[in-house]
Amino acid sequence: DAGVTQSPTHLIKTRGQQVTLRCSPISGHKSVSWYQQVLGQGPQFIFQYYEKEERGRGNFPDRFSARQFPNYSSELNVNALLLGDSALYLCASSLRDRVDYGYTFGSGTRLTVV
Amino acid sequence: RKEVEQDPGPFNVPEGATVAFNCTYSNSASQSFFWYRQDCRKEPKLLMSVYSSGNEDGRFTAQLNRASQYISLLIRDSKLSDSATYLCAVKGQDSNYQLIWGAGTKLIIKP
Repeated sequence: DAGVTQSPTHLIKTRGQQVTLRCSPISGHKSVSWYQQVLGQGPQFIFQYYEKEERGRGNFPDRFSARQFPNYSSELNVNALLLGDSALYLCASSLRDRVDYGYTFGSGTRLTVV
Repeated sequence: RKEVEQDPGPFNVPEGATVAFNCTYSNSASQSFFWYRQDCRKEPKLLMSVYSSGNEDGRFTAQLNRASQYISLLIRDSKLSDSATYLCAVKGQDSNYQLIWGAGTKLIIKP
């Protein structure tokens, strides 16, 4: 069975540009969560989607947006990129909208903003 | 004060030794607790959940101390392959879908 898949694996963008990151959850999982991990820190929660609805949003500016599609895959969009957006972006899927049993993460997208 | 705190380390430990590290959390209503392992430039991988009664998985033992608001991870007979960063994560009472993470403790096992 395929795990959580994310694309692209690496990305280099210029300040001010826009980026779209993609995530496919484990088959049968209806919840997708996005986290940002800056080097040397733990992951920070960005969004959770369940059954195509936003269930939670972390403390990130409106430049960050996301959506979930009918097949439960998800996209994270970041507009007007800043140098500080450089990070590892992690996607996690779960069967339910709860995280009682922890997450399984994808391998992440490493975004570098120059 | 951060919600979840860990000693960043690094902990330099000889192979075969026992090592333990803690993770403190500030919200006394926190419910679920996890230890993750993260290798350099890779995604975090779930190592084990932490149950109220404590739990063990091979060489790894996790414990929860609600009175003092910390969780611990003990690694016995450490292997070179245990070298990694260990992250703790906590689920709060008021959020079913979000984990709050520590910044991780770096462990280096030396031959």
